[in-house]
Amino acid sequence: DQQVKQNSPSLSVQEGRISILNCDYTNSMFDYFLWYKKYPAEGPTFLISISSIKDKNEDGRFTVFLNKSAKHLSLHIVPSQPGDSAVYFCAASAIQGGKLIFGQGTELSVKP
Amino acid sequence: ETGVTQTPRHLVMGMTNKKSLKCEQHLGHNAMYWYKQSAKKPLELMFVYSLEERVENNSVPSRFSPECPNSSHLFLHLHTLQPEDSALYLCASSQDLEDRGLYNEQFFGPGTRLTVL
Repeated sequence: DQQVKQNSPSLSVQEGRISILNCDYTNSMFDYFLWYKKYPAEGPTFLISISSIKDKNEDGRFTVFLNKSAKHLSLHIVPSQPGDSAVYFCAASAIQGGKLIFGQGTELSVKP
Repeated sequence: ETGVTQTPRHLVMGMTNKKSLKCEQHLGHNAMYWYKQSAKKPLELMFVYSLEERVENNSVPSRFSPECPNSSHLFLHLHTLQPEDSALYLCASSQDLEDRGLYNEQFFGPGTRLTVL
């Protein structure tokens, strides 16, 4: 049973437009949520995170929104740039430990 | 070297071979992790070490044997693997197992692409 789901395996966006990547989770014990970005032949790198006490966290062009009642979070990238093309993983962890549960990833392609 | 390094980057092995994957972190972290990433699947946590002690083993077959000789090094010993074990194996580290301040941010190495023939 997959506790963190990214239902869109891929997303294509025009440069300059907004990219919205979605993530759903089932475990109500999750209280920290993270987004990682992965380029080919590299390991994932941390991008942005949010605690369950917040509903929004912004860092430059990246904003993460959390809707606890819907158990849904999203990553907004605006404006999108070709260098943002990568696989984006959503991850969640619960209070009791550092174990991260990952989604299966969404491959973002930003076209010039 | 900075961050988390992994060697080798690519490995091809037969089902009867014995090989080892190496991970080294230069961040002064206390927790280290092994993940498996198969195509189109989520990263699967395999093992967790905290201060050189294994704290989690996610039902991983015994043909995978981890070793953590110190807080900077982590090995994954491979023996009699199956073709379905072919995947990208990622090592990660974090400051501590439960670091609330950094939201458990883990730093990943580039991975070892393993192919089992």
